Amino acid sequence: KAGVTQTPRYLIKTRGQQVTLSCSPISGHRSVSWYQQTPGQGLQFLFEYFSETQRNKGNFPGRFSGRQFSNSRSEMNVSTLELGDSALYLCASSFTGTARMNTEAFFGQGTRLTVV
Amino acid sequence: GESVGLHLPTLSVQEGDNSIINCAYSNSASDYFIWYKQESGKGPQFIIDIRSNMDKRQGQRVTVLLNKTVKHLSLQIAATQPGDSAVYFCAENGSSNTGKLIFGQGTTLQVKP
Repeated sequence: KAGVTQTPRYLIKTRGQQVTLSCSPISGHRSVSWYQQTPGQGLQFLFEYFSETQRNKGNFPGRFSGRQFSNSRSEMNVSTLELGDSALYLCASSFTGTARMNTEAFFGQGTRLTVV
Repeated sequence: GESVGLHLPTLSVQEGDNSIINCAYSNSASDYFIWYKQESGKGPQFIIDIRSNMDKRQGQRVTVLLNKTVKHLSLQIAATQPGDSAVYFCAENGSSNTGKLIFGQGTTLQVKP
């Protein structure tokens, strides 16, 4: 069974540009969450999608957005990139994404974004 | 505010010894907790989870203990091996009934041969 796949693995962008990251969840999983990981802030929740709807959102500016497709694949977009957006962006998938449904969240390898 | 914290940023143990990694959480409404292991250059790897209706759960060489009275979580690794060297995170899925996870800052486990 394939795991969570994130593409690309590495990206280098210039300030002011925009970027789109992709996440393919485990087959059958309907919840996809995105996290930003930096040495200073650790793992910070960005947003979660379930059945093509954003179900929860973290405290990030509107430059960060996402979407989910009918096949549960998800993309996140960051517009007007800033140096501080340099981070490892992680995607996690779970079957239903709720604690009460007893489902674990599995992470992809992440996309390393460097903004110069 | 939301926070899940770990007591020690770095833990160094001898190969073969048992390791105990601690975590304190602040949200008394939290009812689901997960431990993840993250190796350099990789995403977090699920280790074990526990619900608030349990005090203890065992996996292969790992045990998670939950003390709701003092809002404390611990991960015990038996017979620690060099391959256990990594950063360990505790995470909380609060009462929001979504997939959102709140992570602690992480503890780096170093295993000395």
